[in-house]
Amino acid sequence: AQTVTQSQPEMSVQEAETVTLSCTYDTSENNYYLFWYKQPPSRQMILVIRQEAYKQQNATENRFSVNFQKAAKSFSLKISDSQLGDTAMYFCAFMLFNNDMRFGAGTRLTVKP
Amino acid sequence: GAGVSQTPSNKVTEKGKYVELRCDPISGHTALYWYRQSLGQGPEFLIYFQGTGAADDSGLPNDRFFAVRPEGSVSTLKIQRTERGDSAVYLCASSLPADTQYFGPGTRLTVL
Repeated sequence: AQTVTQSQPEMSVQEAETVTLSCTYDTSENNYYLFWYKQPPSRQMILVIRQEAYKQQNATENRFSVNFQKAAKSFSLKISDSQLGDTAMYFCAFMLFNNDMRFGAGTRLTVKP
Repeated sequence: GAGVSQTPSNKVTEKGKYVELRCDPISGHTALYWYRQSLGQGPEFLIYFQGTGAADDSGLPNDRFFAVRPEGSVSTLKIQRTERGDSAVYLCASSLPADTQYFGPGTRLTVL
């Protein structure tokens, strides 16, 4: 069975600084997707970034980038130049190509002014 | 275009009652998913539709939960004889096959 572990229940960062959220997963499959979703208090799950396991290059989306270490089954999210609007719960998720998707327990990120 | 929509936004019911939660996916998305999110936890998979049929319903907790998608678009999650433990946010997502899932705003269900 696939599992996703986020070991940091809460984190905080000063506005404009950089923060890294950790995620590890367990699978015996070779082909899969990894995602980071953001969930602000409005409840809406918003896609932050996506990584295909067959791609060696780490995905980036503006201020968001990942460090994907396939052998170590690690998928961390780096947020640069943190903004107040980045305050939210962040969920790491793993999905097989058959659409079976599993989420971690989340990390609550607070960006302080 | 329009995103995934869910109605109602909030639902309060009494123990033992029947409820229906609706999800309207992104137009053209053939895959539709239901998740349940309890307070302080990540979403847990309930059921996945590909078109009109349930491709995987292994996450439904018991036979009080049922979901349909009769025309391959809108889906309804139905909960019979609600229990206090059913209180949670119910999230719906849609996608193209084996692609990124896009979520709706969820329905917060409270069973008194």
